[in-house]
Amino acid sequence: AQSVAQPEDQVNVAEGNPLTVKCTYSVSGNPYLFWYVQYPNRGLQFLLKYITGDNLVKGSYGFEAEFNKSQTSFHLKKPSALVSDSALYFCAVPNNNAGNMLTFGGGTRLMVKP
Amino acid sequence: DARVTQTPRHKVTEMGQEVTMRCQPILGHNTVFWYRQTMMQGLELLAYFRNRAPLDDSGMPKDRFSAEMPDATLATLKIQPSEPRDSAVYFCASGLSYGLNTEAFFGQGTRLTVV
Repeated sequence: AQSVAQPEDQVNVAEGNPLTVKCTYSVSGNPYLFWYVQYPNRGLQFLLKYITGDNLVKGSYGFEAEFNKSQTSFHLKKPSALVSDSALYFCAVPNNNAGNMLTFGGGTRLMVKP
Repeated sequence: DARVTQTPRHKVTEMGQEVTMRCQPILGHNTVFWYRQTMMQGLELLAYFRNRAPLDDSGMPKDRFSAEMPDATLATLKIQPSEPRDSAVYFCASGLSYGLNTEAFFGQGTRLTVV
């Protein structure tokens, strides 16, 4: 079965510092990987996805993610964190047997402090 | 600005009552998903429809939950009878199913409280 894991429940970062939210994956075949963000009392919003090609994927709000096949990782990054980036972040992978049905990781809460 | 619309946004009900949650997917999308979010379990997939046909509802308690798509513009999730453990935020999402690399778009959710 396709799965992703987010090893950190929470990440704390000071505003202006770089941030990393970790995700590792376990898939058969070529991996397709997604990042979503959830702001308080809102639904999930798509940030970026990896399909194939360049290992560094750029997405919304200045976020990017690095695909690393040897480490089976797809970490989310941003060079300079903003307080407004504080939210819940989910890594996800499609279920190969069901098209674009996504299986989500447990989520990582990002807290950016002024 | 196309978006997935869910109603109601909040629902408080008494144990044993029927609850119906509605979702209007983005026009043209042919897949619809229902997810449940709780602190303990995170995001769980309850049901998945493609072209209005249910393809996967293995995550849904069959004895009390039911999901339907009466037409392409409406998806419903019903709980009868509701129980306190059903308290959660229920999300609907829609997308296009032409591959594994298409993202799903989420509604803002229905926060259900069963007392």
